[in-house]
Amino acid sequence: RKEVEQDPGPFNVPEGATVAFNCTYSNSASQSFFWYRQDCRKEPKLLMSVYSSGNEDGRFTAQLNRASQYISLLIRDSKLSDSATYLCVVGSGSARQLTFGSGTQLTVLP
Amino acid sequence: DAMVIQNPRYQVTQFGKPVTLSCSQTLNHNVMYWYQQKSSQAPKLLFHYYDKDFNNEADTPDNFQSRRPNTSFCFLDIRSPGLGDAAMYLCATSYDRATNEKLFFGSGTQLSVL
Repeated sequence: RKEVEQDPGPFNVPEGATVAFNCTYSNSASQSFFWYRQDCRKEPKLLMSVYSSGNEDGRFTAQLNRASQYISLLIRDSKLSDSATYLCVVGSGSARQLTFGSGTQLTVLP
Repeated sequence: DAMVIQNPRYQVTQFGKPVTLSCSQTLNHNVMYWYQQKSSQAPKLLFHYYDKDFNNEADTPDNFQSRRPNTSFCFLDIRSPGLGDAAMYLCATSYDRATNEKLFFGSGTQLSVL
């Protein structure tokens, strides 16, 4: 079993749609959780951290479920510019121990 | 302003011909990392430097080496590239590895092996 698993997609959604991604992790001792965004042939960029209480940043909402060991990302009112691969990243307290998922590909269609 | 700079953006090499990828940073971060990312896969940590202290991941092949002559620069040397080494190579930095998990990535070098 992979340490961090994501549905690879692709998710093809129309502009304005709401889309949700899930990510599961295997290490119950994981302490920190992130979503990164990666455009084609570009570097990953931090989208948001995921806190225990859940957090929201504009159209993006992240949730953590420690009991079931998964995190989620909800994107409301999708824009064309949201098209990218979304990487789930799980940490154990240091940057050296960050584990990346292989990503979920999103395409927002006009 | 770019804070982590990788050169070149695209690199083509021949099977077995040594190649060096470079990374520089203006952040004065003490930790620098090299990741390998193949198409549709997660970035895979190869090794990192904590100041001058080199830390190799257990499954990183001996074919991959690294040098960090000073705080600002770090190099990835592939001694004898194989076809399976074609990938995006990402350099990243962080301030302290123990408590700070924020990574700053360079734009990557896409390596092709012919």
